[in-house]
Amino acid sequence: DSGVTQTPKHLITATGQRVTLRCSPRSGDLSVYWYQQSLDQGLQFLIQYYNGEERAKGNILERFSAQQFPDLHSELNLSSLELGDSALYFCASSVGAPDTEAFFGQGTRLTVV
Amino acid sequence: GENVEQHPSTLSVQEGDSAVIKCTYSDSASNYFPWYKQELGKRPQLIIDIRSNVGEKKDQRIAVTLNKTAKHFSLHITETQPEDSAVYFCAARGPINSGGSNYKLTFGKGTLLTVNP
Repeated sequence: DSGVTQTPKHLITATGQRVTLRCSPRSGDLSVYWYQQSLDQGLQFLIQYYNGEERAKGNILERFSAQQFPDLHSELNLSSLELGDSALYFCASSVGAPDTEAFFGQGTRLTVV
Repeated sequence: GENVEQHPSTLSVQEGDSAVIKCTYSDSASNYFPWYKQELGKRPQLIIDIRSNVGEKKDQRIAVTLNKTAKHFSLHITETQPEDSAVYFCAARGPINSGGSNYKLTFGKGTLLTVNP
């Protein structure tokens, strides 16, 4: 157990819908990262938050948004879902320094039908 | 931005043999290089990492080497066992923007390692 909790584990929804994925980082970790993993793209960095503020943005679509709350948990919102959004979404956390280990949650498997 | 290339995409070895996975990165400002192992249906887990001020690091059967000049780093697994079978990802952490203090971790596309008994 990495200490990073993601909910839900599985999510099936229809195209056009909106979903929210939740992540609770390890106790004491200030940084939260979101990654998308699909079969042909590997692990794609989406966005990073540090202590409530957006720190870095990767290949995140405009239909996607995220935030980190004062208690440091984070949510990733995916809207106007398309079939191609089906993937594993991982959250990772770290203490925040650039060269420290990132611990991954178990992931949320999103299936868009 | 940073670009990480990983080779090979698949690797099959016999139990007891060595396995080597290689990665190259593009941003000379990257300074932290972790390797993750991901078993089927599970989360990536860190197995070893190396910082840019070190050329080699070893942990039992696993070693990582870093060549900053050539901008490549490699994972070496000796005496492979069937339980080493998994997808291995290399990553490089570097600044989002030149001279910036915001960092992101860029992953390679992964190597599926199969260790045959």
